Amino acid sequence: DTGVSQDPRHKITKRGQNVTFRCDPISEHNRLYWYRQTLGQGPEFLTYFQNEAQLEKSRLLSDRFSAERPKGSFSTLEIQRTEQGDSAMYLCASSYRLAVNQETQYFGPGTRLLVL
Amino acid sequence: GENVEQHPSTLSVQEGDSAVIKCTYSDSASNYFPWYKQELGKRPQLIIDIRSNVGEKKDQRIAVTLNKTAKHFSLHITETQPEDSAVYFCAASSGGATNKLIFGTGTLLAVQP
Repeated sequence: DTGVSQDPRHKITKRGQNVTFRCDPISEHNRLYWYRQTLGQGPEFLTYFQNEAQLEKSRLLSDRFSAERPKGSFSTLEIQRTEQGDSAMYLCASSYRLAVNQETQYFGPGTRLLVL
Repeated sequence: GENVEQHPSTLSVQEGDSAVIKCTYSDSASNYFPWYKQELGKRPQLIIDIRSNVGEKKDQRIAVTLNKTAKHFSLHITETQPEDSAVYFCAASSGGATNKLIFGTGTLLAVQP
């Protein structure tokens, strides 16, 4: 499968613990997005990278959240001191931005986080 | 702020009938409108998209229409099949450099055999 992959697929943790998720985009895609999806809702934008640069962060992304894309390939999303409200599906999407209005985002399978 | 409204939230049709899902968006700078299909526990999959320089696009049984003046876009599925049953999300791009997607709240489509 040459699509976007995410690891782990599921994570159960206790409140207050730190968790880290990984996303491997489609090869040569220069953009990588993180979204969060709660039950019955559409995905909500969290942050995105163009190559290794993090260019925008949503207000949803509190100080407990940090994301990196150190070499412009895979990305990690870390949540520190998890809270029950962090329970959600964390989706990664990648795209190749050729030009303005020339971009399609492809999603990974997501990491489902449950904070007890 | 940026917002996408999607209706209906649930839609039940008989196999072979057509299904229509409608979305409205608020950001006049939005220029890209994809539709994703998400089956239970799976990733959102792009099924069709339309860009602002086009009013209609069709791919076999699926079509999307866009009215930029009214800020409306719609998904049309003809000759529905049971395997079309899923949650469908519309989205609008934020415009500008980011191109983040603003999603609707989803439509649960049930196709009855």
